[in-house]
Amino acid sequence: EADIYQTPRYLVIGTGKKITLECSQTMGHDKMYWYQQDPGMELHLIHYSYGVNSTEKGDLSSESTVSRIRTEHFPLTLESARPSHTSQYLCASWPGHQGSPLHFGNGTRLTVT
Amino acid sequence: AQTVTQSQPEMSVQEAETVTLSCTYDTSENNYYLFWYKQPPSRQMILVIRQEAYKQQNATENRFSVNFQKAAKSFSLKISDSQLGDTAMYFCASPTGNQFYFGTGTSLTVIP
Repeated sequence: EADIYQTPRYLVIGTGKKITLECSQTMGHDKMYWYQQDPGMELHLIHYSYGVNSTEKGDLSSESTVSRIRTEHFPLTLESARPSHTSQYLCASWPGHQGSPLHFGNGTRLTVT
Repeated sequence: AQTVTQSQPEMSVQEAETVTLSCTYDTSENNYYLFWYKQPPSRQMILVIRQEAYKQQNATENRFSVNFQKAAKSFSLKISDSQLGDTAMYFCASPTGNQFYFGTGTSLTVIP
């Protein structure tokens, strides 16, 4: 079974706060991804990484930033949260083999008041 | 570029009945894989089934099966004997290069 963890599961914060959403995987996957998803809506890729010290922005513009200092860890940071950042954030990892599925974490549901 | 299209935003089915969710895709790859993911209200993305394009036999996982029509670039998901726990968003997906491409999803409701 895939092991990819996201914390916190739920987060409610006030406008202007700095937050970091954590994502860790124990499978040794080089490729990791962050998706933003509103309830019942499609997935939007906001960041991805192909390995340590590699990060790229995704298709959807986001004010968040990411880092990849270790293979297993891919945190997402919002320097100053706004109500427009309210959403579900899904982290995923992939070994890169075409026949392998994308492994998802449980997600973080962020509400900015 | 890879595209994945789901043309049914919402569907419903009576419990114990069969439902088919549609997905079409476009790719320039010779060999590729296709996936169906399920996202229940808990929001966890769960792999339902996968299909390799080179395999002529349609994939089956218990009550879930696919109708893979390679020439038509169609990859439908059939759910037999629908259960209340099947209520979820369903996403069709395919990787190309280092990216996964997802459809916009179909919201399925199983009616008791």
